[in-house]
Amino acid sequence: NAGVTQTPKFRVLKTGQSMTLLCAQDMNHEYMYWYRQDPGMGLRLIHYSVGEGTTAKGEVPDGYNVSRLKKQNFLLGLESAAPSQTSVYFCASTTGSGYEQYFGPGTRLTVT
Amino acid sequence: GDSVTQMEGPVTLSEEAFLTINCTYTATGYPSLFWYVQYPGEGLQLLLKATKADDKGSNKGFEATYRKETTSFHLEKGSVQVSDSAVYFCALYTGGFKTIFGAGTRLFVKA
Repeated sequence: NAGVTQTPKFRVLKTGQSMTLLCAQDMNHEYMYWYRQDPGMGLRLIHYSVGEGTTAKGEVPDGYNVSRLKKQNFLLGLESAAPSQTSVYFCASTTGSGYEQYFGPGTRLTVT
Repeated sequence: GDSVTQMEGPVTLSEEAFLTINCTYTATGYPSLFWYVQYPGEGLQLLLKATKADDKGSNKGFEATYRKETTSFHLEKGSVQVSDSAVYFCALYTGGFKTIFGAGTRLFVKA
């Protein structure tokens, strides 16, 4: 039982490049989330999904897209990376609203 | 809107010292409250939670009491260890699909 895994762990992009971050969970959770963590700002919600085939915007969705084609996977895409997207990205999943969230180990992204 | 405010860090303590990390919240309704911990290089993990007023959450020697009258959920531990060095996040859930996290408080414990 791996819990929540994230790929890759580290990545450096040049401005304008694109990439996809992959999150996978093996706990059969319905809800999945993407956060970014920046110094002094805690966790900010980018997008979330309440089930396979559904996605919704969080508080900082601009510049990101997501897809949830399979229940266990939640992908975060950056179409044209900007230096402001340099951050640590965390994926999380949970059985339902208000329950404990299980977090992946994070992806550290640097955009130069 | 709903929000969480934590004391700014870093907090630096010697081993066996008493720890308090303050957390206050603003929320409509009756939120559930959480403390998460993030060890270096890892994701967050749940430390403890409380779902109604006067509940006390506890785990690994840490405690926090849900105080509705002061809208607070302060984290305490009687004797910290070097292994407690981490970032601690207070969080609240008031309904809908989102949990709101505080900015985090970094704790350093010296041997």
